[in-house]
Amino acid sequence: EPEVTQTPSHQVTQMGQEVILRCVPISNHLYFYWYRQILGQKVEFLVSFYNNEISEKSEIFDDQFSVERPDGSNFTLKIRSTKLEDSAMYFCASSDPAANTGELFFGEGSRLTVL
Amino acid sequence: GDSVTQMEGPVTLSEEAFLTINCTYTATGYPSLFWYVQYPGEGLQLLLKATKADDKGSNKGFEATYRKETTSFHLEKGSVQVSDSAVYFCALSERTGSARQLTFGSGTQLTVLP
Repeated sequence: EPEVTQTPSHQVTQMGQEVILRCVPISNHLYFYWYRQILGQKVEFLVSFYNNEISEKSEIFDDQFSVERPDGSNFTLKIRSTKLEDSAMYFCASSDPAANTGELFFGEGSRLTVL
Repeated sequence: GDSVTQMEGPVTLSEEAFLTINCTYTATGYPSLFWYVQYPGEGLQLLLKATKADDKGSNKGFEATYRKETTSFHLEKGSVQVSDSAVYFCALSERTGSARQLTFGSGTQLTVLP
């Protein structure tokens, strides 16, 4: 069964460092998303991406964040200068517009720890 | 804006007990509704879904019915198992621009004791 894969599963970084989280969405999906979950809190929407551009973003997704689809398979989230409060689980997701059910398929997440 | 309100946790049950986790929503249109489950150390997995009023989603013995009149999507299971211990998230999806964006509830931690 096709799945969304994410790397790394866990990354530890120092405050102020740049981090890139990588995702390989399901191959025939056209919409891609990043969500985050701070420990013990709600899963929050960060950004959606379609046709090589951001289609929607939340207030959380400020200038420190960027997304990119550098090739035909990867979808990345970059945090330019990490802060302690960026520590969270980051989930990538993708969806198939033809399905029209609104279902998103999630990866297993990348845990980011900022020290 | 859209929002999802879930029953506060944590919930602790004995094996074979009946489970209900309440979920209500606020939305401007006609959303699709979902329950996602997060097992310890794992990512989010879709448990079940319903795309229109009166639809019943079901999977692995879990059920939820899309009630438009009460704006609810309560999760139920007749007999829980230890392996059902996880965090359960209610979510809704409405089309925003070109993509669908999920709005999650706060999650309900379920622990099932043998």
